[in-house]
Amino acid sequence: GDSVTQMEGPVTLSEEAFLTINCTYTATGYPSLFWYVQYPGEGLQLLLKATKADDKGSNKGFEATYRKETTSFHLEKGSVQVSDSAVYFCALSPSSGSARQLTFGSGTQLTVLP
Amino acid sequence: NAGVTQTPKFQVLKTGQSMTLQCAQDMNHNSMYWYRQDPGMGLRLIYYSASEGTTDKGEVPNGYNVSRLNKREFSLRLESAAPSQTSVYFCASILTGSNQPQHFGDGTRLSIL
Repeated sequence: GDSVTQMEGPVTLSEEAFLTINCTYTATGYPSLFWYVQYPGEGLQLLLKATKADDKGSNKGFEATYRKETTSFHLEKGSVQVSDSAVYFCALSPSSGSARQLTFGSGTQLTVLP
Repeated sequence: NAGVTQTPKFQVLKTGQSMTLQCAQDMNHNSMYWYRQDPGMGLRLIYYSASEGTTDKGEVPNGYNVSRLNKREFSLRLESAAPSQTSVYFCASILTGSNQPQHFGDGTRLSIL
């Protein structure tokens, strides 16, 4: 079945540092790929997405590129802020099927220190 | 504001008690989902409903039942709660066929003593 493997955390960075959170996936066909963010005490919010190979999703300074050849969707940000402290989830949705259920990675806790 | 509403936000139960977690969405979405979130394991799908009147098992359905009451509401029931069901439960919905992502509620924190 489909699976998502995320870089284990927690990750602690200083403000303005460069961030990379690795994500690789196993799936048949061409799934859609997502990064969700969860702030303390809240539900998940979509951060960015990519629906086909070589697509780059971007939002709030975060970027991720859908790499079919390496089955990866790594999250990057050039300069993190304290407000970026949250849990980040990589997820995929299958390319076929009516229900579009998501398969999630285990999540990466990010803490940004001032 | 439009979105996914979950009730209650917090609940403590004793082993063997039953309860129903409620979820409602007002975005006219056709598919709805229940996930549980446990430390180090991400979110795992319990049950989903691709459309009104249909439900299907996800990855971890044991110990749970669901009801898709109408297009808006999708409830999750624990018939006899066990400590292993202590978790944070999230409901989500999506308009299948659209290019939009799943929308999540704020979660229900459930503790089973």
